[in-house]
Amino acid sequence: AQSVTQPDIHITVSEGASLELRCNYSYGATPYLFWYVQSPGQGLQLLLKYFSGDTLVQGIKGFEAEFKRSQSSFNLRKPSVHWSDAAEYFCAVGPYNQGGKLIFGQGTELSVKP
Amino acid sequence: GAGVSQSPSNKVTEKGKDVELRCDPISGHTALYWYRQSLGQGLEFLIYFQGNSAPDKSGLPSDRFSAERTGGSVSTLTIQRTQQEDSAVYLCASRDRRGNTEAFFGQGTRLTVV
Repeated sequence: AQSVTQPDIHITVSEGASLELRCNYSYGATPYLFWYVQSPGQGLQLLLKYFSGDTLVQGIKGFEAEFKRSQSSFNLRKPSVHWSDAAEYFCAVGPYNQGGKLIFGQGTELSVKP
Repeated sequence: GAGVSQSPSNKVTEKGKDVELRCDPISGHTALYWYRQSLGQGLEFLIYFQGNSAPDKSGLPSDRFSAERTGGSVSTLTIQRTQQEDSAVYLCASRDRRGNTEAFFGQGTRLTVV
């Protein structure tokens, strides 16, 4: 079955600390992987995406993610968290073409302590 | 338009009434998705349109839910005889015909059934 698992429902980090949000997927075909961020009352904004090439991808706002095929993981990282990063983060997997649905994880809510 | 537009942004309806939610995708995007986001939950896939192909309706939770896409552009999600469990944020997204693109999301419609 196709699925995305984000094991951490809620994470709290101190401002300036590093961050890693976990994402594991199960997908039959070659996956196209995404991380989206959702601020309260807002739609989803793409942080980064991966299909092929370098397994470490850079995104907006200083985020990066590493694809590990052997672990079926696509974890999101940031070296130093800012208070404005507090939001909900969603990992998603989909097909590499225009067809087919995107499957989302349950999301991880990030809180940032001053 | 510049982005995906959804209307209304908020809708309060009485139990048993029908509602229509509208989505205007990004011009030229051939793929259109509807997702539902309940409080504290991830994004639940509802339906997917791709060009002139038959839509993927596999995520619609019951026959009270239907959607159409007219002229390959605007889409309407209709919920008949609304129930309290239908209360959620309904998100629409569109995607370009090219393969290596992400889905762009609208701001969503918050539906409250009282």
